[in-house]
Amino acid sequence: GQQVKQSSPSLTVQEGGISILNCDYENDMFDYFAWYKKYPDNSPTLLISVRSNVDKREDGRLTVFLNKSGKHFSLHITASQPEDTAVYLCAAGAANMQQGTGSKLSFGKGAKLTVSP
Amino acid sequence: AQTIHQWPVAEIKAVGSPLSLGCTIKGKSSPNLYWYWQATGGTLQQLFYSITVGQVESVVQLNLSASRPKDDQFILSTEKLLLSHSGFYLCAWSLTGVRDTQYFGPGTRLLVL
Repeated sequence: GQQVKQSSPSLTVQEGGISILNCDYENDMFDYFAWYKKYPDNSPTLLISVRSNVDKREDGRLTVFLNKSGKHFSLHITASQPEDTAVYLCAAGAANMQQGTGSKLSFGKGAKLTVSP
Repeated sequence: AQTIHQWPVAEIKAVGSPLSLGCTIKGKSSPNLYWYWQATGGTLQQLFYSITVGQVESVVQLNLSASRPKDDQFILSTEKLLLSHSGFYLCAWSLTGVRDTQYFGPGTRLLVL
């Protein structure tokens, strides 16, 4: 089954508002959580990531919140701008996993954020 | 600066025909390399990863194989394509393991008919 889930496929936010994107995961072994941004016809690029030893990380307008007990992490974008309009992919992974899966990064299906002027 | 190149850009192939997709990384020695696949409307799935020349680990079984013949080259192939192989193939590299930033190539779009 899908190990990382983005339940809301799309989100529309007014310019200047806060965009909140959510991600749920299943595997207790995940210890790395990331958000990638993807423009149409472009490849994903890393926005921000966090290890499981912290529950929050800020970088400018971006904040990742990690809730390990709830197996949930989210991306908050403050002061959202039209150029934030893109597809956002969450990803989770762990190195040296058992069962032969090795170093695997699992992605969510993506959520399209539209920031309207 | 590091660059990642994938070839071909796009391909239309017949069911049962062979396939070879390539990926090269310039400007970085001994990168970790990854192959990903995304079906239309689907989720990006990691297929293979390699930490060094000659060593490739399979993550998802899709009747595909991968090889790393050189430090800067990663090849994805199969002898017999299936309809289900259609999709978008992305190569990526990272400095260390999966918990490091992954830098994606431009991708190869494959249509199997």
